[in-house]
Amino acid sequence: SQTIHQWPATLVQPVGSPLSLECTVEGTSNPNLYWYRQAAGRGLQLLFYSVGIGQISSEVPQNLSASRPQDRQFILSSKKLLLSDSGFYLCAWSEGVGETQYFGPGTRLLVL
Amino acid sequence: DAKTTQPNSMESNEEEPVHLPCNHSTISGTDYIHWYRQLPSQGPEYVIHGLTSNVNNRMASLAIAEDRKSSTLILHRATLRDAAVYYCIPGLGNTPLVFGKGTRLSVIA
Repeated sequence: SQTIHQWPATLVQPVGSPLSLECTVEGTSNPNLYWYRQAAGRGLQLLFYSVGIGQISSEVPQNLSASRPQDRQFILSSKKLLLSDSGFYLCAWSEGVGETQYFGPGTRLLVL
Repeated sequence: DAKTTQPNSMESNEEEPVHLPCNHSTISGTDYIHWYRQLPSQGPEYVIHGLTSNVNNRMASLAIAEDRKSSTLILHRATLRDAAVYYCIPGLGNTPLVFGKGTRLSVIA
């Protein structure tokens, strides 16, 4: 069966510091991968998605970036965090774009 | 993009059925209708999806109107663990699913 992992589970970072969140999927090949953010009390915002290694689509311009160095690895990064980057970051995968998505446990990021 | 309309919130008594409505009047003929739910402090989880026919699984039932402009997620016996935000999402084929605001379901013991 397929599983999706995210780490860390929680993170507290100062403003201006870098960020690296990792997501890995097991039990499937060539998944579509997604990064979402959910600010406190708000809905899910799609940040990036990837249909293959090195292929990244950005949905919202901001100071975040994503990379897919391996088939089942998706990384969310920032060079300098802003207060507004605080939120609940969720990684998800699907067999195809627009198909059922399966979410990881998420990372809670607090930028102070 | 297909637009959806869901009530902001609904309330149900425990052990009673719950019918969560969704209007998606601009849905295209090939879009599936997906339902997810998000429990407190967790990521969304898949509930059910369908195209034209009603669908049943261990979690819920999905009733799709004949014209496909609306659908209803049915929880047959609500429990306290069903308290969550429920999202209705038309699948747009080759684009990622877009989550709206959903319906916040409260279950009263």
